[in-house]
Amino acid sequence: DARVTQTPRHKVTEMGQEVTMRCQPILGHNTVFWYRQTMMQGLELLAYFRNRAPLDDSGMPKDRFSAEMPDATLATLKIQPSEPRDSAVYFCASGPGLAGEVETQYFGPGTRLLVL
Amino acid sequence: AQSVTQLDSHVSVSEGTPVLLRCNYSSSYSPSLFWYVQHPNKGLQLLLKYTSAATLVKGINGFEAEFKKSETSFHLTKPSAHMSDAAEYFCVVSPGSGGSYIPTFGRGTSLIVHP
Repeated sequence: DARVTQTPRHKVTEMGQEVTMRCQPILGHNTVFWYRQTMMQGLELLAYFRNRAPLDDSGMPKDRFSAEMPDATLATLKIQPSEPRDSAVYFCASGPGLAGEVETQYFGPGTRLLVL
Repeated sequence: AQSVTQLDSHVSVSEGTPVLLRCNYSSSYSPSLFWYVQHPNKGLQLLLKYTSAATLVKGINGFEAEFKKSETSFHLTKPSAHMSDAAEYFCVVSPGSGGSYIPTFGRGTSLIVHP
């Protein structure tokens, strides 16, 4: 049963520390999405990759956030330095990205981040 | 441009009674529409999707949704609620197949099921 995996599942850190979240998309999928979920803002799209290239990261605070895909099996989201307002659940999703077909996203279980 | 509005932040039903979760959308394109469900402390799971084929779409766990272009709606229904249906439900619109794909999520509707 193919699944999107995310690590760590939970992270508690102190303000100012670097946080790295990792995502392994489903094998063969070529689109990857990063979302942030909070009670106040709901689900926000942070970044979108297709074939490892970033297509949209307009939702991501550029001064402290960065997203990369070092290879097709790994996507990373980094926060440096972290702030208490970054506390949220971060979801990764992947999709087949087939030309001419509507994209269905498959979500990972999320990383629950708490910045003290 | 596209947007999606989930008309109710919370819906409360009794077990065994029908469920209706409302969603209205706007899109400059022929849209594709989705419903996702999120159980507590879990990721989102696809319930069903509309992609310009049949307007009545059947999904998992007995849910279905009807695409009504004239009303720009895509409401989610289930004839009889089960306790396990208690979760957060998200309506999603996208521009459709091909090209750059940026989905827009609704704010979510929390479904509460009473015994």
